[in-house]
Amino acid sequence: GQNIDQPTEMTATEGAIVQINCTYQTSGFNGLFWYQQHAGEAPTFLSYNVLDGLEEKGRFSSFLSRSKGYSYLLLKELQMKDSASYLCAVLDSNYQLIWGAGTKLIIKP
Amino acid sequence: DSGVTQTPKHLITATGQRVTLRCSPRSGDLSVYWYQQSLDQGLQFLIQYYNGEERAKGNILERFSAQQFPDLHSELNLSSLELGDSALYFCASSHNPGLDNEQFFGPGTRLTVL
Repeated sequence: GQNIDQPTEMTATEGAIVQINCTYQTSGFNGLFWYQQHAGEAPTFLSYNVLDGLEEKGRFSSFLSRSKGYSYLLLKELQMKDSASYLCAVLDSNYQLIWGAGTKLIIKP
Repeated sequence: DSGVTQTPKHLITATGQRVTLRCSPRSGDLSVYWYQQSLDQGLQFLIQYYNGEERAKGNILERFSAQQFPDLHSELNLSSLELGDSALYFCASSHNPGLDNEQFFGPGTRLTVL
C-alpha cells in the first residue's frame, strides 16, 4: 500500500527554526509537494522536489532524499502567521497525488 | 486568489437530502480534483477528471458522483446525505496530470448536514 507519515502536531517559538519531516512509501515517485493550509482555508503550494537535495525559497526550504523516502520542510525565522497545517504529498507512478494527514504547527510568542 | 471558484460557499441541509457542489477551474486547466476534509482531518481524495473524462477515483462513496462538462467546470453530487458527510469539500485544478503537477485549490464549500 501507499503510505505517507508526518508528525501530527509540532510546537515552536516565534523567531525560531522548525523542521517538519515526511516519510513516504509509494508505488513509484514523480515528485514531492509541500502545501500550507490555514484552518478553514484552502491549501496553498509551497514547494516541489523531484531531485535529491535542498530547495530554498525565502524563509522556507525543502529537502528530499529519494533513496531514504524522506523529505523535510524547514521554516526559519518563524512568524505567528506560520501557524498552520503543512501537508506533504507524493506524486506516484500514475501521476496521482498521495496526501499525508498533515502536521499542525503551533507557533508560540 | 487561486483562480478556482466554488459555489456555494456554505450549504446547510438535512439528512437524506441531495446537494450539488460546483467548481470552475482556472482558465486553461484541464484537470479537476475533488477532495473531502472533515474537521481536523487530512485531505481525502475523492475523484479526478481530465478534459471531461474520469481519470482517477479515490475514497468516493457510491452515494457521491461527479462529472466534468465540456466547458471544463465540474459538479460533485452528494445524495442520501448523512451526518458524517459534513465537511469542507475542495475542488482543485491543474493544467494536466503530469509532472510538476501543482494543484490550485478553490476556497471550498462547507457542507453541514443536520
